[in-house]
Amino acid sequence: EAGVAQSPRYKIIEKRQSVAFWCNPISGHATLYWYQQILGQGPKLLIQFQNNGVVDDSQLPKDRFSAERLKGVDSTLKIQPAKLEDSAVYLCASSLNGGYNEQFFGPGTRLTVL
Amino acid sequence: RKEVEQDPGPFNVPEGATVAFNCTYSNSASQSFFWYRQDCRKEPKLLMSVYSSGNEDGRFTAQLNRASQYISLLIRDSKLSDSATYLCVVVANTGNQFYFGTGTSLTVIP
Repeated sequence: EAGVAQSPRYKIIEKRQSVAFWCNPISGHATLYWYQQILGQGPKLLIQFQNNGVVDDSQLPKDRFSAERLKGVDSTLKIQPAKLEDSAVYLCASSLNGGYNEQFFGPGTRLTVL
Repeated sequence: RKEVEQDPGPFNVPEGATVAFNCTYSNSASQSFFWYRQDCRKEPKLLMSVYSSGNEDGRFTAQLNRASQYISLLIRDSKLSDSATYLCVVVANTGNQFYFGTGTSLTVIP
C-alpha cells in the first residue's frame, strides 16, 4: 500500500516569497492533517480536513497560511509571504476517518527561509 | 500552560537497560493517548496506543494515570535500534484536536 506522498522534499526561499506544498494521502483516508515541526519540538497541528471540509484550523496563521483540499483527496498548503520563523518541516498525515484512528505521516517538506 | 509536556531528555542508557518516560497533559477530558516514535530526520510513526488498563507490546509497556493526568512508556531490555525520539500524543474529547509533546530523546549506548 502506498504511503502518504509529499512534495517537494526540500525548499529554500527568501523571506517574503511564497511557497506551496503538496500532499497526497493514503487512498481511502478521509482525514488529512498538516503539521508544522520546528527543530527540537513536536509537531504542531495547523489544519485538519475531513474529506474536503475543514474540521480544525485554530492554529493556522491565517494571515499568511492557507490550505485547501478541494476534491477531498490531495491537499495544498501555502505560505504567502514567508517569514524566517516559518523555517520548519511541514508534515502531512492522513487517517482512515479522523478521531482516534492512527495517523500515517508523509516524509515531510523541509522549508528553509533565508 | 501547554496541553502536553514531556521531559526532552536526552536519555542515554546502556544496552539492556530499562528506561521510562512520562508525559503529562492538562485537559482532564482528554480521551485518547498514543506514543509515536520519530527517528532522526524521519516522520513520526505510531508505536502504540495507550489504553486505560495499560497495555504491553513486547518490550514496551504503556500506562495511563487519569487521576494524575499522565501517561508513561516503559522500555525493557533496550536495544540500539530503540534510539529515537518518543512523542506522546493526547487527543481531546472531541477527537479532533491532537496535541503532540515535544518528544523525549533516547540514545541506547553499546
